[in-house]
Amino acid sequence: AQSVAQPEDQVNVAEGNPLTVKCTYSVSGNPYLFWYVQYPNRGLQFLLKYITGDNLVKGSYGFEAEFNKSQTSFHLKKPSALVSDSALYFCAVRALNAGNMLTFGGGTRLMVKP
Amino acid sequence: GAVVSQHPSRVICKSGTSVKIECRSLDFQATTMFWYRQFPKQSLMLMATSNEGSKATYEQGVEKDKFLINHASLTLSTLTVTSAHPEDSSFYICSATPTGGYEKLFFGSGTQLSVL
Repeated sequence: AQSVAQPEDQVNVAEGNPLTVKCTYSVSGNPYLFWYVQYPNRGLQFLLKYITGDNLVKGSYGFEAEFNKSQTSFHLKKPSALVSDSALYFCAVRALNAGNMLTFGGGTRLMVKP
Repeated sequence: GAVVSQHPSRVICKSGTSVKIECRSLDFQATTMFWYRQFPKQSLMLMATSNEGSKATYEQGVEKDKFLINHASLTLSTLTVTSAHPEDSSFYICSATPTGGYEKLFFGSGTQLSVL
């Protein structure tokens, strides 16, 4: 069975500072990894994905994530946080043999303060 | 890019009534769609996998007779919450992947169901 862990319920960061939202996963075989963002009362928006290739993946809104196979991690990062980045972030994994089914982490609320 | 339309975005209903939520892929065909449920301050829980032309596959603990799923065409899946009760109040989200494409899932904007 595949699983995703986001160890932090909330991350607080000052505007302009770098941010990191942590994610670790467990899956059989090679994973597809995703990050989604959810703004209040709205659905999920795709941020970025890792399928294969470079371990550093760049996505929407200046976000990036680094795939680390040895640590089974896929942390989300941004060099300089904006107040508008405040939202709920979900990490997700899909195993190559699991069809299109995503397993989500518990979510991390990012609060960026001015 | 690909768009998934989910309707309605918000619904309030009386206990005992049924509510239908639609999920449409607007510019692509989706053999498979997924229905998720999100409780306040919690993650998304996969409820069922909806397969065009066949029965849905439900996750453990999800009542098939309560959450009826129909995937009648390659662009439409519906979730009907039958005999809704206050504990069914939740945020429901659908997602779809273009047939033959496995890199992205596209999500609907979600439906906030409130059962009085």
